[in-house]
Amino acid sequence: GQSLEQPSEVTAVEGAIVQINCTYQTSGFYGLSWYQQHDGGAPTFLSYNALDGLEETGRFSSFLSRSDSYGYLLLQELQMKDSASYFCAVFNQGGKLIFGQGTELSVKP
Amino acid sequence: DAGVIQSPRHEVTEMGQEVTLRCKPISGHNSLFWYRQTMMRGLELLIYFNNNVPIDDSGMPEDRFSAKMPNASFSTLKIQPSEPRDSAVYFCASSSTGGSSYEQYFGPGTRLTVT
Repeated sequence: GQSLEQPSEVTAVEGAIVQINCTYQTSGFYGLSWYQQHDGGAPTFLSYNALDGLEETGRFSSFLSRSDSYGYLLLQELQMKDSASYFCAVFNQGGKLIFGQGTELSVKP
Repeated sequence: DAGVIQSPRHEVTEMGQEVTLRCKPISGHNSLFWYRQTMMRGLELLIYFNNNVPIDDSGMPEDRFSAKMPNASFSTLKIQPSEPRDSAVYFCASSSTGGSSYEQYFGPGTRLTVT
């Protein structure tokens, strides 16, 4: 079967750095995507890692270790608007995404 | 550019009624996905199409659910008959074909309430 694990919630203060971890078990793994979803909104794509290492996009970075079946999303210089749910999702050989349960990030002033 | 368009945005219906959800993908995208999101089960893939052809419907919960994509610019998800446990937010998403489907563009969703 396929499974993903990520923390259910994380709290941090404005300006801080936060890391959201994701571990997965799957067959036919191609890569790991991250999505952001604000309350009442739709998921929006943040990043994708197919190879080991760190990908940086502005304040957000994403990391993948294929040998450890592990990845994380790193958010720097946190802002209040970053309060949202963050989902990791495995992209597999079937051409589809399998989403984790999501991590609710609360950014406090 | 218009994003993915879904209608209706909200639907309230009684148990036993037929419900039809509609989706218009982004022009030029060849893959279309239907998801259901609930607090208990998270974001679940129901079915997806490549070039209007259903590729994987293993997530469709039961025969009461059906989906069609008669052309590249329109898809429907139908529930008949609807049940209270079908209450959820239903998202449609589209992407470029195959290898780029890790980046999907979601519509605003349809919030379905079955009483």
